[in-house]
Amino acid sequence: QSALTQPASVSGSPGQSITISCTGTSSDVGSYNLVSWYQQHPGKAPKLLIYEVSKRPPGVSNRFSGSKSGNTASLTISGLQAEDEGDYYCCSYAGGSTLIFGGGTKVTAL
Amino acid sequence: EVQLVESGGGLVQPGGSLRLSCAASGFTFSSYWMHWVRQAPGRGLVWVSRINSDGSSTTYADSVKGRFTISRDNAKNTLHLQMNSLRAEDTAVYYCARVFISGTFDFDYWGQGTLVTVSS
Repeated sequence: QSALTQPASVSGSPGQSITISCTGTSSDVGSYNLVSWYQQHPGKAPKLLIYEVSKRPPGVSNRFSGSKSGNTASLTISGLQAEDEGDYYCCSYAGGSTLIFGGGTKVTAL
Repeated sequence: EVQLVESGGGLVQPGGSLRLSCAASGFTFSSYWMHWVRQAPGRGLVWVSRINSDGSSTTYADSVKGRFTISRDNAKNTLHLQMNSLRAEDTAVYYCARVFISGTFDFDYWGQGTLVTVSS
């Protein structure tokens, strides 16, 4: 099964909003409201930002928000900050107790 | 404090075997599903396997099915990944991860990872 499709990179100026897309198929993203998003800084383990499409775990800034339409999920970072730079991965339930990740998006604050 | 500490990585020849371990502490290990996720150098995250809380149910990615076996010892708070018939493409940092809510597939705690290198 191929990875979910994410843009390789997204950039924005500090304070701006950026959106990262995550495109799957009707067998994964399109079939389940079980999309999550992770942030990963170099050399570190990933951090959960969003689960079940749009829910934030305790302690995650409300600058991060998620949504889904059809086979595409999106993560929006509002008020981009330098500390938001890093790699972002979407992840979707794919049925049969399996998961599929996206290829990752590098976020840069210009 | 929740902690997950992987061990067992290293250099292995193609066709060889390794057994990874993940020592858990700071939470009731036996109540949580656990997963393994890997990341090849400079590449993205790839889901590998999951096991339910009592070890009675397991699932694998197609790329490792038949070669890897996930297991757990709830008495020792330890998760394992037995990797056989290793290939160069299995080279990666392997993370163990705890689900955020039992029975779901979102990971709130990850270990620091252990590097597996498959090379002759």
